[in-house]
Amino acid sequence: DAGVTQSPTHLIKTRGQHVTLRCSPISGHKSVSWYQQVLGQGPQFIFQYYEKEERGRGNFPDRFSARQFPNYSSELNVNALLLGDSALYLCASSLWGDEQYFGPGTRLTVT
Amino acid sequence: AQSVAQPEDQVNVAEGNPLTVKCTYSVSGNPYLFWYVQYPNRGLQFLLKYITGDNLVKGSYGFEAEFNKSQTSFHLKKPSALVSDSALYFCAVRYRRNNAGNMLTFGGGTRLMVKP
Repeated sequence: DAGVTQSPTHLIKTRGQHVTLRCSPISGHKSVSWYQQVLGQGPQFIFQYYEKEERGRGNFPDRFSARQFPNYSSELNVNALLLGDSALYLCASSLWGDEQYFGPGTRLTVT
Repeated sequence: AQSVAQPEDQVNVAEGNPLTVKCTYSVSGNPYLFWYVQYPNRGLQFLLKYITGDNLVKGSYGFEAEFNKSQTSFHLKKPSALVSDSALYFCAVRYRRNNAGNMLTFGGGTRLMVKP
């Protein structure tokens, strides 16, 4: 079975631009969570979606938004990019309340 | 609020020797505890979890972890380290409560270096 997939693998954006990151969960998993991992730190929780509804939000500004589609895939959107948004963005899928399985991540560089 | 501390930035061990990577946590109520491993330029791989029951949890690749409620610790252990175990290890906690979702709080990570 395919694991969690994320696209793109890498991307470079300029300050002020907008970015969309995509995630496809493991088949059968209805919950998707997003994490930001800044270099040298542990992942920080951004959002969780379950059955297309937001079920949790971390301490991130409103520039960050997400949604989940009927096929349970998800998008993370970040507006007005700042240099500090440069990080590895990780998507994780799970059955509700179970351990999370992470994708390989999207490396975002903001210049 | 829940938090996780990994007091060692790096742990060095010789191949074949036992290893321990330390983790302490703070959470209201009973926790779910996890260990993940991250290899360079990769996402996190699930190693093991503690939910309830036996305090010694066995996981993937020969790793195990011991839950100690009185010390609020969940140390990762392996009896005999391999060079291929060299990676970044993260401890994480989730608050066990209905509808708390899957939000994980991670520690800062510990780099394990196993030397031949």
